[in-house]
Amino acid sequence: QVQLQESGPGLVKPSQTLSLTCTVSGGSISSGSYYWSWIRQPAGKGLEWIGRIYTSGSTNYNPSLKSRVTISVDTSKNQFSLKLSSVTAADTAVYYCARGGLEGDFDYWGQGTLVTVSS
Amino acid sequence: QSALTQPASVSGSPGQSITISCTGTSSDVGSYNLVSWYQQHPGKAPKLMIYEGSKRPSGVSNRFSGSKSGNTASLTISGLQAEDEADYYCCSYAGSSTYVVFGGGTKLTVL
Repeated sequence: QVQLQESGPGLVKPSQTLSLTCTVSGGSISSGSYYWSWIRQPAGKGLEWIGRIYTSGSTNYNPSLKSRVTISVDTSKNQFSLKLSSVTAADTAVYYCARGGLEGDFDYWGQGTLVTVSS
Repeated sequence: QSALTQPASVSGSPGQSITISCTGTSSDVGSYNLVSWYQQHPGKAPKLMIYEGSKRPSGVSNRFSGSKSGNTASLTISGLQAEDEADYYCCSYAGSSTYVVFGGGTKLTVL
């Protein structure tokens, strides 16, 4: 059974960079044709896809966030990471990591981690 | 504003059937039979209920079904149970650049 777990600071100051890591267990991040995504959800609001990475290192980002997002992968640690720069209060949300196929369908999700942007 | 449009809320009594709509455009829902649906209980991560428009993952009740007509996808839940009360989100593939877009979510209340 694949499991994902997000980790990182729960509080980030405005204008700084948000950094999160997702650790995958129960299977290799390199096995199968899967894409590894970050998705966020502000309190009381809907889901927003942030970006994804394939184990080759190929990435795709949400056009609305592209200028601030970097996703990377470390196959030796079975982890992938998110960096979101120049954060504002609007970036306060629960951040999820998830496994998806080439064309969507997120079948495994982490439990989510709340990141608050505040001074 | 979300890319896909869902009703904010729907309700039904135990045993009844309800349908949640998800309206997109010819660039997403209308172009691909690749809509997925997620159930989210309060404080929990979303759970995949339907993928590729109408397929159910292993372990998901056959009371959940999906369909599509034109630019609108639908999730139908039959034989409503109290445990079905949750938020439901649709998601559509939207091409290799955009990848996916989500709906704004629908709160299902079981009366």
